[in-house]
Amino acid sequence: DIVLTQSPALAVSLEQRATISCKTSQNVDNYGISYMHWYQQKPGQQPKLLIYEGSNLASGIPARFSGSGSGTDFTLTIDPVEADDIATYYCQQSKDYPLTFGSGTKLEIK
Amino acid sequence: QVTLKESGPGILQPSQTLSLTCTFSGFSLSTYGMGVGWIRQPSGKGLEWLANIWWDDDKYYNPSLKNRLTISKDTSNNQAFLKITNVDTADTATYYCARIGEIPFAYWGQGTLVTVSS
Repeated sequence: DIVLTQSPALAVSLEQRATISCKTSQNVDNYGISYMHWYQQKPGQQPKLLIYEGSNLASGIPARFSGSGSGTDFTLTIDPVEADDIATYYCQQSKDYPLTFGSGTKLEIK
Repeated sequence: QVTLKESGPGILQPSQTLSLTCTFSGFSLSTYGMGVGWIRQPSGKGLEWLANIWWDDDKYYNPSLKNRLTISKDTSNNQAFLKITNVDTADTATYYCARIGEIPFAYWGQGTLVTVSS
């Protein structure tokens, strides 16, 4: 199985930049596509897709969110952070079955 | 507009079989490239993928649940199903279904809470 590793928590100030990392135990690229996706989950809600295939912004997601990386190292950036961004962020790979998620990074405000 | 909604028993006893239904609209599971996946989340914990079913009836399961999972679909009624046999307290979680296709897990249901308790 491909293991995805995320830091448990990140504290940032409002209007600053948040950088959330996800490292995978195997390469999740194939034919130039990174099979890495990012989700936001607020308490009591279902996850929401933010970024797909490494860097593509999902429909309706503000441009403050961006994704980057390739191979085994990926980053979700929120710039600038707003109060509404307080949530847990998960990375997920779809390169290989079984599909796997990272353990989540909880974004907190300083 | 794509919507999905999960339904389940709410509570069941250990060793019973959990049957979940995902009723969706805005897409068809007979359309090339479409699929539905099931994901669960114990309270306060992370997300665990369980199974996917595709338009062509191709199926994939999480091997960590061994042979306890069965996924199926009813294309005519826009539904997908998941059965988990021999449940125990570790299966207590919120269960989500989500649409998969050219974009993975782009749409999610609100989830249904399942509690396994004697």
